Amino acid sequence: GAVVSQHPSRVICKSGTSVKIECRSLDFQATTMFWYRQFPKQSLMLMATSNEGSKATYEQGVEKDKFLINHASLTLSTLTVTSAHPEDSSFYICSASWLRGRISDEQFFGPGTRLTVL
Amino acid sequence: KQEVTQIPAALSVPEGENLVLNCSFTDSAIYNLQWFRQDPGKGLTSLLLIQSSQREQTSGRLNASLDKSSGRSTLYIAASQPGDSATYLCAVKDDYKLSFGAGTTVTVRA
Repeated sequence: GAVVSQHPSRVICKSGTSVKIECRSLDFQATTMFWYRQFPKQSLMLMATSNEGSKATYEQGVEKDKFLINHASLTLSTLTVTSAHPEDSSFYICSASWLRGRISDEQFFGPGTRLTVL
Repeated sequence: KQEVTQIPAALSVPEGENLVLNCSFTDSAIYNLQWFRQDPGKGLTSLLLIQSSQREQTSGRLNASLDKSSGRSTLYIAASQPGDSATYLCAVKDDYKLSFGAGTTVTVRA
């Protein structure tokens, strides 16, 4: 149980284009989804937290207009990288959790999406 | 702001040796601590989750301890195998978010 998928697993795009990454919880309803990015040999950095049906909360330093997050349903969240540039190339990972009445709920992670912007 | 540190950054051992990975965090007001495994170019696989009220968790050859008051956790992997080669991340959860360490990259030599 508690499986999270991401699509696509790998994407290459030209500079200036927009890229959408999907994150799905396959066997549970995710009340909260998280988006992280990871640079080579570095830790995961939280970009934003999204709750179903409401606006995402972005971490300090993350551009809201560049990284658009939509959590339209309890099983799907999308991250759109708008007007992508080479510096946006990174490994993007989503995670999902659901409210079970305990704040210490576990996050379940997707397999990640490798974005390369040429 | 929570800071999570993992030492060493890299570790190479011969097969069969026990592994000891360390994680420290600056703010002891955590809800839980989690250890993950990450293979190159892949996502995270959860290994063990320790709630703040617990002292340790075990799963097979893996054992993780938590000393919340001193801000430390240790992951022990017994009788290492080449398949254990990966990067191991620890993460602590406070009332806001998960904070990750940079990881320890383990190589187990056959």
